[in-house]
Amino acid sequence: QKEVEQNSGPLSVPEGAIASLNCTYSDRGSQSFFWYRQYSGKSPELIMFIYSNGDKEDGRFTAQLNKASQYVSLLIRDSQPSDSATYLCANYGNNRLAFGKGNQVVVIP
Amino acid sequence: ETGVTQTPRHLVMGMTNKKSLKCEQHLGHNAMYWYKQSAKKPLELMFVYNFKEQTENNSVPSRFSPECPNSSHLFLHLHTLQPEDSALYLCASSQEAGNSGTIYFGEGSWLTVV
Repeated sequence: QKEVEQNSGPLSVPEGAIASLNCTYSDRGSQSFFWYRQYSGKSPELIMFIYSNGDKEDGRFTAQLNKASQYVSLLIRDSQPSDSATYLCANYGNNRLAFGKGNQVVVIP
Repeated sequence: ETGVTQTPRHLVMGMTNKKSLKCEQHLGHNAMYWYKQSAKKPLELMFVYNFKEQTENNSVPSRFSPECPNSSHLFLHLHTLQPEDSALYLCASSQEAGNSGTIYFGEGSWLTVV
């Protein structure tokens, strides 16, 4: 079982719409969860972290954590072309940060 | 510009060459990491150093040799690599390894083995 799983395939959203990304993880003991954004040819940059169940909002981004169901999601409201990137989910489990394969988001003007 | 600086940004090397990747962090962190990122695969953790001591080697082939002379500098020495080693190599740092804190990445070194 993969430590962190993200849905495959690019997600295309019209400009101004909400982009929704999901991630599941296997380690029930995981305490911290991260979303990184990676533009093509660039390194990952942290956009959100969440430790507690529920929602955490930061500008147009909302992270949602459900530890009972072992999933974490990221919502991007009012999507902009500059949001076009690959989004990596990561969680701290087994004393290491494990990453998913990433979800590509394409915002269509 | 990030607090983690990697050089060179691009490297092309033959299979018999010896080269090194360098990483420097200016964040006052005590943990440093090497990750490998290949197309269509998740980020793979290679090595972890905490307070200059190697705490993790994720079954990395010996043709990759890390060196951490102090908490601010990390090297990855490369020798007799294979074409499948071509990838983006990312250095990262965090306050301390294993404390579930945020890690910050450098811009990466694109390696092509010919």
